[in-house]
Amino acid sequence: QSALTQPPSASGSPGQSVTISCTGTSSDVGGYNYVSWYQHHPGKAPKLMIYEVSERPSGVPDRFSGSKSGNTASLTVSGLQAEDEADYYCSSYAGSNNVVFGGGTKLTVL
Amino acid sequence: EVQLVESGGGLVQPGRSLRLSCAASGFTFDDYDMHWVRQAPGKGLEWVSGIAWNSGRIGYADSVKGRFTISRDSAKNSLYLQMNSLRAEDTALYYCARVGRGSGDYYFDYWGQGTLVTVSS
Repeated sequence: QSALTQPPSASGSPGQSVTISCTGTSSDVGGYNYVSWYQHHPGKAPKLMIYEVSERPSGVPDRFSGSKSGNTASLTVSGLQAEDEADYYCSSYAGSNNVVFGGGTKLTVL
Repeated sequence: EVQLVESGGGLVQPGRSLRLSCAASGFTFDDYDMHWVRQAPGKGLEWVSGIAWNSGRIGYADSVKGRFTISRDSAKNSLYLQMNSLRAEDTALYYCARVGRGSGDYYFDYWGQGTLVTVSS
C-alpha cells in the first residue's frame, strides 16, 4: 500500500491550464478505473472533483477534467481561477477492499 | 441534506484506546459503503478503513491493520472506528466519508468535518 505519487506543487496564472499527475502501479491506478480526485481547502472537508477517472459530479465546473494512461492518472484544470487554489489529492482502488491516496499537490494560482 | 458528523476524538496516551463515531443523516445509510480517512498535521490524506453496506467487505490500511476495527450500526445510522494500541503517528484529523453510487465503488462524495485525535503522553 504505497502512496500514489503526485508532484508537491503546481501553479498557473488565471485563465491558464494546469495538469496534475498521479502515478501508481498496475495494482492500483493501472488496474482499475476507480481513480478519483479531491479538492481540499484547509479547515474544510475534501470535495470530490472527479470520479471513475473522468466523471464529473454535478456542480463541479467543466473546467475540471480527468484522464488516465497506463499507471498514471491526470487532473487538468482549465481556465484557472483564484478559487481553484487548494490542495488536490488523487486516490485509487488498490484491490482487496483497499484504497490509496496520493501525497497531494498544492495548486497555486499566480 | 446529507450530513456526516464525527465525534469521539480527543487526547489519549500512547497504547490506550479510543472509539470514533460518525452519525449519518439525510440518506439511506444501509445502502452505502462507508470509509474513514485521516490527515495527520501537515500531511496528506491517508485512507484508514472501509466497510460495505452490509459489513460483508472490510478493508484496512497496513498502518492500522490489527489495531483498528471498523463497524456500523444500521439501527443508529452510525459508523464506528475502534482504535486500540494507539501510537503517536495515529495523531490526525479523522474524517468519515460516504461512497458515491452506494456500494462497490471507491470514491467519496460526502465527507464529515472530522474529529481530531491526539496521541501523546
